[in-house]
Amino acid sequence: EIVLTQSPGTLSLSPGERATLSCRASQSVSSNYFAWYQQKYDQAPRLLIYDASSRATGIPDRFSGSGSGTDFTLTISRLEPEDFAVYYCQRYVTSPPGWTFGQGTKVEIK
Amino acid sequence: EVQLLESGGGLVQSGGSLRLSCAASGFIFSNYGMTWVRQAPGKGLEWVSAISDSGWATDYADSVKGRVTISRDKSKNTLYLQMNSLRAEDTAVYFCARVANTVSAFDIWGQGTKVTVSS
Repeated sequence: EIVLTQSPGTLSLSPGERATLSCRASQSVSSNYFAWYQQKYDQAPRLLIYDASSRATGIPDRFSGSGSGTDFTLTISRLEPEDFAVYYCQRYVTSPPGWTFGQGTKVEIK
Repeated sequence: EVQLLESGGGLVQSGGSLRLSCAASGFIFSNYGMTWVRQAPGKGLEWVSAISDSGWATDYADSVKGRVTISRDKSKNTLYLQMNSLRAEDTAVYFCARVANTVSAFDIWGQGTKVTVSS
């Protein structure tokens, strides 16, 4: 079973700063089927990044994803007030088929 | 507008059953795989189950296997989750989501429906 571990648990930053979120897989995984989501309080998650580095429709270019193997990163180049939220990484696995989420990173206002 | 709307949540006693529904609109429902994801109070996201676009293939998380059944009705553009033998740990908000073709990410989400299992 592939486990996704996100760090840090909480990131305290100010608007305008750069945010770097990490997701580490317990086994090397293909960058295909690796995604990032944003969830604001009391809302449904929103897809930000798929295939590790492709932005979903309508996602601003301040959001970028990178990584391969066991280490993946979500970067928010300049935090806007609406970016303070919880972020989850996700991976689809084929055996057994299903999806795994990381435990989440909360980006809060410093 | 592409939209998913869940319903069917509520309060149920431990050991009871509940059927969740997810009405899809604004896209060709039969062209997409669909999935259920849940979130316990104050916790992270947990994938629950998925069904292929045709409905022939289904997958389940180990935590619910044997107790839940996912299904879909093409004529009603609706996804279902039948949950039996409910436990306190099934208490969560249940989201339905669309599986984006070829990339296996969840690109459209519903607003969620709350399930509370009382012991």
